[in-house]
Amino acid sequence: EVQLVESGGGLVQPGGSLRLSCAVSGFSFTDYSMNWVRQAPGKGLEWVSYIRKSGNTISYADSVKGRFTISRDSAKNSVYLQMNSLRAEDTALYYCARVRGSGDLDYWGQGTLVTVSS
Amino acid sequence: EIVLTQSPGTLSLSPGERATLSCRASQSVSSSYLAWYQQKPGQAPRLLIYGASSRATGVPDRFSGSGSGTDFTLTISRLEPEDFAVYYCQQYGSSPLWTFGQGTKVEIK
Repeated sequence: EVQLVESGGGLVQPGGSLRLSCAVSGFSFTDYSMNWVRQAPGKGLEWVSYIRKSGNTISYADSVKGRFTISRDSAKNSVYLQMNSLRAEDTALYYCARVRGSGDLDYWGQGTLVTVSS
Repeated sequence: EIVLTQSPGTLSLSPGERATLSCRASQSVSSSYLAWYQQKPGQAPRLLIYGASSRATGVPDRFSGSGSGTDFTLTISRLEPEDFAVYYCQQYGSSPLWTFGQGTKVEIK
């Protein structure tokens, strides 16, 4: 069974940092690229970041470029999102999702909540 | 930057009725890279349709997708109680790499 489990969310002050983790199981992690997608409370879905299965191609939404860093560790079957200089508008439920070749996201975790507030 | 606009924002229908959801792109999208998702309250999104018209594994055949270029449609032929949810379209490939529509809520009338 494919599983994606996010962790690391919490309450942080503006300007602070958090590191999100997504541990995957049930499939060959090195065969798939991964995304982070977020959803602000009561709002729609917003793509945040992408990392290719090889780790050598990375992309970010303009809203987080320069502040967030995505990475992956094949030994731990995990993908990470380092979030720095957090702002109130980064408050959201953060999902990791598996990327298929056609760009669709076929498996999602349950999300980890990030709240940026003083 | 590509923008996906979904309409209507809310669709009020009764079980058994047909639902037609629209997704319009601000510029042409490859059909290969257009997907639809269903999200229920408190749950993660679920992939329904990929490649504009292919059903994901386990998706009932009452769900169908169609369209090309800038106009795409998700149709639910006969609404079941479990189909009342929010639906999102998504494109891949244009800047930004992934874009989602703002969602259409299908609610019980």
